[in-house]
Amino acid sequence: GNSVTQMEGPVTLSEEAFLTINCTYTATGYPSLFWYVQYPGEGLQLLLKATKADDKGSNKGFEATYRKETTSFHLEKGSVQVSDSAVYFCALSQNTGGFKTIFGAGTRLFVKA
Amino acid sequence: KAGVTQTPRYLIKTRGQQVTLSCSPISGHRSVSWYQQTPGQGLQFLFEYFSETQRNKGNFPGRFSGRQFSNSRSEMNVSTLELGDSALYLCASTPAGGTANTGELFFGEGSRLTVL
Repeated sequence: GNSVTQMEGPVTLSEEAFLTINCTYTATGYPSLFWYVQYPGEGLQLLLKATKADDKGSNKGFEATYRKETTSFHLEKGSVQVSDSAVYFCALSQNTGGFKTIFGAGTRLFVKA
Repeated sequence: KAGVTQTPRYLIKTRGQQVTLSCSPISGHRSVSWYQQTPGQGLQFLFEYFSETQRNKGNFPGRFSGRQFSNSRSEMNVSTLELGDSALYLCASTPAGGTANTGELFFGEGSRLTVL
């Protein structure tokens, strides 16, 4: 079945540091790939998405590129801020007569001032 | 446009009781999915409904059930509660239908269930 593997956390960075959170997936066919973010006490919200190979999703300075050859969708940001502290989830979705989204375990990010 | 609304936000139950959680999707969204979030298991897919029909189901026991009404609102029910059912239950909606739909989920803030 489909699965998503992302790097374990927590990840602790200083403000303005470079961020990478690795994500790889296993799926048949061509899923859509997502990064969701969960701030403390809140539900998840979409950060960015990519729907086909070589697509780059971007939002709020975060980027991720859909790499089919390496089945990866790594999240990057050039300069993190304290406000980026949250849990980040990599996910894939396929329409097989209804959508079923599979999530990675989540990576908690702490950014220190 | 109002977001996904879940009620109640917090509730405490005892073992053996049952609970019903409610979800109102974003207006115009016809698909509703439910997820269980726990520190140990992460986000686990429970089920997905579209036009009052369950289209997908995760690997949960029969104590977990759901339904969707004609206005797309959804409820999930957990019967004979166990301590391990303590979790944040998240509802998400998506504008199902059409090739433009990529499965992007719009989440509510969740219902936090504590079983004592």
